[in-house]
Amino acid sequence: GESVGLHLPTLSVQEGDNSIINCAYSNSASDYFIWYKQESGKGPQFIIDIRSNMDKRQGQRVTVLLNKTVKHLSLQIAATQPGDSAVYFCAENKETGANNLFFGTGTRLTVIP
Amino acid sequence: GAVVSQHPSRVICKSGTSVKIECRSLDFQATTMFWYRQFPKQSLMLMATSNEGSKATYEQGVEKDKFLINHASLTLSTLTVTSAHPEDSSFYICSLVGHNQETQYFGPGTRLLVL
Repeated sequence: GESVGLHLPTLSVQEGDNSIINCAYSNSASDYFIWYKQESGKGPQFIIDIRSNMDKRQGQRVTVLLNKTVKHLSLQIAATQPGDSAVYFCAENKETGANNLFFGTGTRLTVIP
Repeated sequence: GAVVSQHPSRVICKSGTSVKIECRSLDFQATTMFWYRQFPKQSLMLMATSNEGSKATYEQGVEKDKFLINHASLTLSTLTVTSAHPEDSSFYICSLVGHNQETQYFGPGTRLLVL
């Protein structure tokens, strides 16, 4: 069936290091992917998105990479800061052109000062 | 992006009562809003898609008679949990689709505790 999953449930990094959060998906019909950050007790916050016709997209301190061959998505955070500590979710649209999302299980990122 | 608010932020109710949660779009007219539920340490699960002026579309396994959704205007959608039970205790989050019709922007969530 369709699934969006993460390789690692938790990730700890030293402040200033780069973080890489991975996500695997199985729905080949998905053409839009988003990374969200969720802090405790709050709603998800949009970080960055990417369409299936792209391999890479960069934002401020964040980069998303998409490998459609192996159905893999990653979020790279440069110079990780304590404020980056949160749970990160990848999400995909359920089918091409659809705007309802299917969320992965989430990875908890802890930044060690 | 879009600014989304929810009210209340948290609510405690007795078993058997009904609770209404409001989701408002503060700076954008949203024809489509979504309602999610999130249990502790779990991911977001889509409950239903709310379309302005029409009936909501519920995901498989979500009881439409228990979770009543009303999207009466382009800036307001409400979720009513009817005859709430302790197992309905969860974090309920709404979202709406922005101008590009794809990116979803989320509200701050409502923590429901049913005693």
